[in-house]
Amino acid sequence: NAGVTQTPKFQVLKTGQSMTLQCAQDMNHEYMSWYRQDPGMGLRLIHYSVGAGITDQGEVPNGYNVSRSTTEDFPLRLLSAAPSQTSVYFCASSSPSQGLLYEQYFGPGTRLTVT
Amino acid sequence: DQQVKQNSPSLSVQEGRISILNCDYTNSMFDYFLWYKKYPAEGPTFLISISSIKDKNEDGRFTVFLNKSAKHLSLHIVPSQPGDSAVYFCAASYQGGKLIFGQGTELSVKP
Repeated sequence: NAGVTQTPKFQVLKTGQSMTLQCAQDMNHEYMSWYRQDPGMGLRLIHYSVGAGITDQGEVPNGYNVSRSTTEDFPLRLLSAAPSQTSVYFCASSSPSQGLLYEQYFGPGTRLTVT
Repeated sequence: DQQVKQNSPSLSVQEGRISILNCDYTNSMFDYFLWYKKYPAEGPTFLISISSIKDKNEDGRFTVFLNKSAKHLSLHIVPSQPGDSAVYFCAASYQGGKLIFGQGTELSVKP
């Protein structure tokens, strides 16, 4: 089991560029989430999915898009990058059917810098 | 408005002593609380949790206490070890599994 994988590890974007952060999990988890971590702010939920085809907004969804076409993948799209989106992004998964509704498994993160 | 707060950004403890990390929350609708541990350049890993219907949960050296009337959560690590040095996040669950995280406390355990 690779667990939760994220690509790329590092990315530098110019303001206005778009990109997709990739997230995949091989544990057959139903739930997947995207968080961003900023100094002094902890982790904040961006978007959330309870299954393929179903997504929901978290605390800080503006400027980000998600879709969930398969159980395994949950990509995060930045439509027009802004310096305020400079952050470390974490993807996580969990599985109510496996007794893991609350305990989320996190990927290693993507460090994004927008100049 | 920060619903989950960790007011101590850092904590330094001697090896073998007790580490106590604290967390306060404002929303009485939270139904589950968790602690995560994070090493640099890695994702957070789940450490221990507690349901809102309990007041204590223990797992080896780690114990979490919940005081609902005070809306306060604490994590006790006894005895502390240098490998426990990391950032610790408390989190609270709402709406069926969504998590709200605190700002984190960086624990340093000195040999």
